[in-house]
Amino acid sequence: AQKVTQAQTEISVVEKEDVTLDCVYETRDTTYYLFWYKQPPSGELVFLIRRNSFDEQNEISGRYSWNFQKSTSSFNFTITASQVVDSAVYFCALSEANRGSTLGRLYFGRGTQLTVWP
Amino acid sequence: EAGVTQSPTHLIKTRGQQATLRCSPISGHTSVYWYQQALGLGLQFLLWYDEGEERNRGNFPPRFSGRQFPNYSSELNVNALELEDSALYLCASSPYPTENQPQHFGDGTRLSIL
Repeated sequence: AQKVTQAQTEISVVEKEDVTLDCVYETRDTTYYLFWYKQPPSGELVFLIRRNSFDEQNEISGRYSWNFQKSTSSFNFTITASQVVDSAVYFCALSEANRGSTLGRLYFGRGTQLTVWP
Repeated sequence: EAGVTQSPTHLIKTRGQQATLRCSPISGHTSVYWYQQALGLGLQFLLWYDEGEERNRGNFPPRFSGRQFPNYSSELNVNALELEDSALYLCASSPYPTENQPQHFGDGTRLSIL
């Protein structure tokens, strides 16, 4: 079963629009970590944010904000006033804290391709 | 501070050949991870090395192997290459322990199998 689901494959917006990228995760662990990464066309994955399962506070960093809701197992990412430079593939990822076979690995969603048009 | 560096950027091989991909982690990071990003399959965990030991591996055949050197750099070796091995191979590093540490990624090596 997919541990991280990003249902939106592609999103297109016009510059200055707000856009929300959805992420739903599945885990049996009580301690886990959620991440968002950005992959521009050049290919490297750029770390954006980490959130642990005990901290449900929303976070804002400039034009970026994240909404973590354990009740719905979601960790959504909103870009306010989008810009052309935001165009990239965005990945949500899960890390589990148990010491078994999942140790060390990030489980990634399939990614959402965001295109921001001028 | 230098990020994760990978070489080569591109690698072209034919079926049956062997490929070696290299990765240098961020200074101070002891853990190195390898992921495969194949078209249509997303990002798949391959291997994790820490302090020279293989700590975990994903669901890949044994012809995918690697090692970590005393300076924490790492190699990924793929033997008996198959067409479906064509992908972007991403290396990441983090300090140990791992669950709560973000993994920082390199630019990747694009492996093409002809």
